Amino acid sequence: SAVISQKPSRDICQRGTSLTIQCQVDSQVTMMFWYRQQPGQSLTLIATANQGSEATYESGFVIDKFPISRPNLTFSTLTVSNMSPEDSSIYLCSVGSGNIQYFGAGTRLSVL
Amino acid sequence: AQSVTQLGSHVSVSEGALVLLRCNYSSSVPPYLFWYVQYPNQGLQLLLKYTTGATLVKGINGFEAEFKKSETSFHLTKPSAHMSDAAEYFCAVEEYGGSQGNLIFGKGTKLSVKP
Repeated sequence: SAVISQKPSRDICQRGTSLTIQCQVDSQVTMMFWYRQQPGQSLTLIATANQGSEATYESGFVIDKFPISRPNLTFSTLTVSNMSPEDSSIYLCSVGSGNIQYFGAGTRLSVL
Repeated sequence: AQSVTQLGSHVSVSEGALVLLRCNYSSSVPPYLFWYVQYPNQGLQLLLKYTTGATLVKGINGFEAEFKKSETSFHLTKPSAHMSDAAEYFCAVEEYGGSQGNLIFGKGTKLSVKP
């Protein structure tokens, strides 16, 4: 299994600002994933981040809005840029290991 | 495209009663299937998974699920609910193994357990 730490656990931000979410894993993993869980909705994959290559974004998500870094095999960041109230969600990091995805506790973001 | 349907956004049972959470998927190939649980203010925890082999899979906390290909279902059950089972449960499907690609989630079912 993998232990995932996400920071911050929650934040309240002003419209137009940006927030960077950090995801740290206790072991080296090839694939890391970023999901969004909007209020009352299920999880939607934002992008897949592999170390050493550009992140792959799902339909409806773009790099300018959600830039991702993956500097090594244990760490990744997701930035939510130029935020609006519609970005208020839970953002979750996950990693793939042994046929399973393990999830962090998530970052609860509220945009005013 | 894959999709997952969870019947009932909210299920309420009495403590000691049977828990049944329904999940149906659409897939043109045999998928990998997962149930995750999310306790308040926590991340998702894997309850159980089906990849290949035995269609009845047992998970943590006394939960089990049965893969029925003919019904494209993967319902989650527990014989006797406990207060600590109150949480939100998500069914998910993935075509390529779970760790390699996109998990498609259902909308979730919130389970309440009454004393």
